[in-house]
Amino acid sequence: SQTIHQWPATLVQPVGSPLSLECTVEGTSNPNLYWYRQAAGRGLQLLFYSVGIGQISSEVPQNLSASRPQDRQFILSSKKLLLSDSGFYLCAWARGGDTGELFFGEGSRLTVL
Amino acid sequence: GQSLEQPSEVTAVEGAIVQINCTYQTSGFYGLSWYQQHDGGAPTFLSYNALDGLEETGRFSSFLSRSDSYGYLLLQELQMKDSASYFCAVRDGGGSYIPTFGRGTSLIVHP
Repeated sequence: SQTIHQWPATLVQPVGSPLSLECTVEGTSNPNLYWYRQAAGRGLQLLFYSVGIGQISSEVPQNLSASRPQDRQFILSSKKLLLSDSGFYLCAWARGGDTGELFFGEGSRLTVL
Repeated sequence: GQSLEQPSEVTAVEGAIVQINCTYQTSGFYGLSWYQQHDGGAPTFLSYNALDGLEETGRFSSFLSRSDSYGYLLLQELQMKDSASYFCAVRDGGGSYIPTFGRGTSLIVHP
């Protein structure tokens, strides 16, 4: 069966510090991978998506970046965090075909102080 | 681009039926999905409609009208554990499958 994990689950970082969130998927190959951010009480904002190794598309301009060094690994990074980067970050994957289903990781709650 | 509209909050009592509506504007529409998210948790998939009509899965049903750019999630025999946020999401076109989410509807179930 397929599983998705992301870490860390919670982190508190000072403004200007770097960030690295990692997500891995098991039990499937060549998944589409996504990073979403959710502000408190709000919807899900798509940040990045990837259809293959090294293929990253950005949906919103920001100081975040993403990388996909391996087929089932997706990393969200920042060199210098801003206060506005606080939120709940969710990694997700989708299999091919017309199932319309995203599978989400447990989420990473980031607080920038 | 895509945009979705859904009510921000809905309240109901245990045992009742509630309907959460979603209207969308998008190009290259492929299907409408619904997700449930409890406080502090990740969204979980509930249903997907690619064709017009009603899809039933236990107490939950989802409806789609492509001509009206409209869908809804129907929850029957409400339970306290159904209190959560519900998101509709539309799938964009193409093999990359880029889903766009609505802002979510907070469902509060009262005893």
